Amino acid sequence: QVQLVQSGAEVKKPGASVKVSCKAYGYTFTGYYMHWVRLAPGQGLEWMGWIDPSSGATKYAQRFQGRIIMTRDTAIAAAYMALSRLTSDDTAVYYCARISWFSDSSGPFDYWGQGTLVTVSS
Amino acid sequence: EIVLTQSPGTLSLSPGERATLSCRASQSVGNTYLAWYQQKLGQAPRLLIYGASTRATGIPDRFSGSGSGTDFTLTISRLEPEDFAVYHCQQYGTSPTFGQGTKLDIK
Repeated sequence: QVQLVQSGAEVKKPGASVKVSCKAYGYTFTGYYMHWVRLAPGQGLEWMGWIDPSSGATKYAQRFQGRIIMTRDTAIAAAYMALSRLTSDDTAVYYCARISWFSDSSGPFDYWGQGTLVTVSS
Repeated sequence: EIVLTQSPGTLSLSPGERATLSCRASQSVGNTYLAWYQQKLGQAPRLLIYGASTRATGIPDRFSGSGSGTDFTLTISRLEPEDFAVYHCQQYGTSPTFGQGTKLDIK
């Protein structure tokens, strides 16, 4: 069955970078766009961007432009989200989420990873 | 960017009661690209409704969605104990956005 399995929790100092992985199982990885979403304490869900696993094309939310990079490795069906110049405001649970529609950048998110807690603290 | 405003922030009800959650958009949501998710503590969100009114696979029929344009509603007809959670609305156009969430807790 479809599963997205993310890497473990991270603790980072302000100014550092973090890279979160998301391994996909049970479906054709290159057929479905992967999005990244985060949930900070006391906040709502926040969309960060997407990657097309087939072409590697990306689109990022404007507020993360310049410090986010999404990549993928089709050989192992994994997507990655790297965020740099971390501040305490980046403390959040980060999720990867699959678009439910084949080969479409827009759509509801039908499968989610379990989440990765990133804590930014000096 | 389409801003989604959910109300109320917290809703306190008892099992068996009816829950009505609102999601209002700052501009019209094209193609009714509006979804609802349920999130329990420590878990990832789960897709409940998409296209404003279509239940996702395996979602019980006590969950229903309605609305178009800028006003959308999620209704849970008779609350079960497992329904107490946070509910998020999302518009999934070109640049998706989410509401701030409604917490449904037990009265």
